[in-house]
Amino acid sequence: LAKTTQPISMDSYEGQEVNITCSHNNIATNDYITWYQQFPSQGPRFIIQGYKTKVTNEVASLFIPADRKSSTLSLPRVSLSDTAVYYCLVEGTASKLTFGTGTRLQVTL
Amino acid sequence: DAMVIQNPRYQVTQFGKPVTLSCSQTLNHNVMYWYQQKSSQAPKLLFHYYDKDFNNEADTPDNFQSRRPNTSFCFLDIRSPGLGDAAMYLCATSRAGPYEQYFGPGTRLTVT
Repeated sequence: LAKTTQPISMDSYEGQEVNITCSHNNIATNDYITWYQQFPSQGPRFIIQGYKTKVTNEVASLFIPADRKSSTLSLPRVSLSDTAVYYCLVEGTASKLTFGTGTRLQVTL
Repeated sequence: DAMVIQNPRYQVTQFGKPVTLSCSQTLNHNVMYWYQQKSSQAPKLLFHYYDKDFNNEADTPDNFQSRRPNTSFCFLDIRSPGLGDAAMYLCATSRAGPYEQYFGPGTRLTVT
């Protein structure tokens, strides 16, 4: 069972890069790592998914070291609208679909 | 636009009175999920369907049931709601495999 651990909260100023790390020591060979963003009173929204090394899309980058026991979501130049809860999720045929506790990101001016 | 729709957005029910929440999708995804999310907590998976195959999480109370009459629709039935069942209920869909899930806006259930 791949349990994930994330910091409970983070603070950042607008325009800075934010890195949120997730620990998943028991990740299985077939598992993928997925990150979601959730605003209050809305459903989570997919940000990025990866298996190993680095994945980048138009909103974020995901860094996964060779041992895959952790991953880091990188948000470049955050804005106030990035204030949300960010969830790391390990999913695959071998792992129960369990959201971690989530990281509450607060962005201020 | 293809999407996941949940109705109603807000539902109030009385203690012990059965309630049904609905979810529909236009994405034609194989998999549909139901999550429960309580205030300031992460979503908790209740069950999911892979096509017609129902997969119940071990710790989901028997009070919670689900139906998927076709690819597009999925229902969550709470047979006898208790005060502790007040929560946001989220429906999500995905293609088969570890693909991204598309979430609906949720139904906020209040139990009086």
